[in-house]
Order: sequence, then structure tokens, then C-alpha cells
Amino acid sequence: DQQVKQNSPSLSVQEGRISILNCDYTNSMFDYFLWYKKYPAEGPTFLISISSIKDKNEDGRFTVFLNKSAKHLSLHIVPSQPGDSAVYFCAASDGGYALNFGKGTSLLVTP
Amino acid sequence: NAGVTQTPKFQVLKTGQSMTLQCAQDMNHNSMYWYRQDPGMGLRLIYYSASEGTTDKGEVPNGYNVSRLNKREFSLRLESAAPSQTSVYFCASSENLDRNNEQFFGPGTRLTVL
Repeated sequence: DQQVKQNSPSLSVQEGRISILNCDYTNSMFDYFLWYKKYPAEGPTFLISISSIKDKNEDGRFTVFLNKSAKHLSLHIVPSQPGDSAVYFCAASDGGYALNFGKGTSLLVTP
Repeated sequence: NAGVTQTPKFQVLKTGQSMTLQCAQDMNHNSMYWYRQDPGMGLRLIYYSASEGTTDKGEVPNGYNVSRLNKREFSLRLESAAPSQTSVYFCASSENLDRNNEQFFGPGTRLTVL
């Protein structure tokens, strides 16, 4: 039973525009959320996280928004660059060590 | 500083064969993890080790065993491989089990079981 859902398998965006990747979760006990980025033939790398006590966290071009009432979070990348082309995984924690991952969204940024 | 390394990168097994996937980290991390990623799926935790000398089951432990050989190394063993174990396996490490500590991932081992 998938508790973290990324309903868009892929997304294509033009360079310079905003990329918005979405993530929904079903477990109300989740209180910490992370985004990982993965290039082909490499392991995932941590991108940004947010605690449930916040509704926004920024790190350079990357911003994560959390809407607890809707059980929804999104990752905004502004401006998008070709090097951002990768698979992005949303993950959630309910306070324990284990991370629940979504299936990932493949982002393609075209020049 | 290599981070997390995994060997082999690729492996093909026949059903019933055994093998061990190796993982090592040079970041002096206490905690280590094994995940599998199947096509169209997110990563699922197989086993983890909170610290040297301890191991615990994750979400999908059946068919696997692990050994935390020392602080650096955490191996995953398939005693009798099955086609359902065809997957990409990722090892990860973190300073400790605190979820605020970033997990660093290795490049993965792509395993095919025929």
C-alpha cells in the first residue's frame, strides 16, 4: 500500500521556467518530508527537507511547500536548468528511521 | 573520500544461486541501510543496522540476510536467489538513525535473476 504517492511519472519543462513536482501522502503520522534526486546509474542524493512544523523551506533554487491539511507537498525549482533533469523522489518519515519513498517523477528540462 | 561504495555494479544469477552484495562507507557513519528499487517503484528498505553489531529487518526482509562486518561494511546476502529478487539494490549510510541525518547512497547494484 503506497503511502507516499507521486502521481506524475514524468514532467517536461523548458529551461528557465519553473518546475513543480507534486507528492501526496496518506499517513497522517508523517511529520518529516524529504526530496531526493537521482541521476541514471547513480544513487539518490538528498536535496531538501521540511518538518511538519513549517509550511515552506527554501534552499537556493529549490523550495518545498507543505500543505498538511491536504496531505500534499510540492517541490519548486526556479529557474529550471538542464542539469536538473533527473528522477525526483519524495520521501516521508513518521518519526522513525525508515523513509517511505514515492515512485519518483522523471523531470526533463529542455534547452 | 569515496562516500558509499558498492560491489559489484552488475550481476546475473540463476535461480537458486547465492551471492553477497558488498557495501562500504568511509564517512565514519554509525547507521547503514539496504534498499531495493523495482521498476516503477520507490525505494523499499530491506534491512538496516543502527550501529556496529546490530541489524534489524526493514519493510521487505524475506529472502535476505545481512552482516554488519564492522563500522565501515554492511553486506547483503541472497542465499537462494529468485526471479522476484531482480532489482537494483542500494546501500546507504547516515550518521545515526535520526531522520534529520541525511542518508548517503551508493551507486547501486543491478541484479538480474534468471
